[in-house]
Amino acid sequence: EAGVAQSPRYKIIEKRQSVAFWCNPISGHATLYWYQQILGQGPKLLIQFQNNGVVDDSQLPKDRFSAERLKGVDSTLKIQPAKLEDSAVYLCASSSTGGLAGVYEQYFGPGTRLTVT
Amino acid sequence: LAKTTQPISMDSYEGQEVNITCSHNNIATNDYITWYQQFPSQGPRFIIQGYKTKVTNEVASLFIPADRKSSTLSLPRVSLSDTAVYYCLVGGLYNFNKFYFGSGTKLNVKP
Repeated sequence: EAGVAQSPRYKIIEKRQSVAFWCNPISGHATLYWYQQILGQGPKLLIQFQNNGVVDDSQLPKDRFSAERLKGVDSTLKIQPAKLEDSAVYLCASSSTGGLAGVYEQYFGPGTRLTVT
Repeated sequence: LAKTTQPISMDSYEGQEVNITCSHNNIATNDYITWYQQFPSQGPRFIIQGYKTKVTNEVASLFIPADRKSSTLSLPRVSLSDTAVYYCLVGGLYNFNKFYFGSGTKLNVKP
């Protein structure tokens, strides 16, 4: 079974520029997550999708971050404009379901390392 | 969501058993306990999950006392390749499978 795919793997941009990250979850997984992981810290959940609807985006800085999951499959996370403090690894994960039915393992992609200069 | 507390780091030697304890005093009735492992430059990887008592798989064991306010991840006979950060998370059931990661425990296995 193919894992979670992310691209690009690395990105360097200047502050105030925009950037977009792409994620393709495991086939059939209804739930998709975007996490931000700053060096030395655990991953922080930014947004969670159930199919193409948002379940939780309480920690997403909505003035500069946006995310979408069209057709309930691939997802894109965008930052515009980027700040120095956005330098981090952005992880995408998926799980087979995320509703009230139970607890399911999350599968993580390799992440995108973003450096803002 | 329940907050977790883990040691920041631990050292061990190859071949030893390692036990990492996590405190989660305000765990909810419906919360599960899940452990993930993360190597440098990789995303976290699921290790084990449990609700109560003991769970064992091919990689680790998870011990959960009756009050569920703590849990212990046990790694038998660690090797150098087990050097990683280990995260304890609680949550999941009835909150759309949502978990929050803490800072984790950095396990350093020495030869």
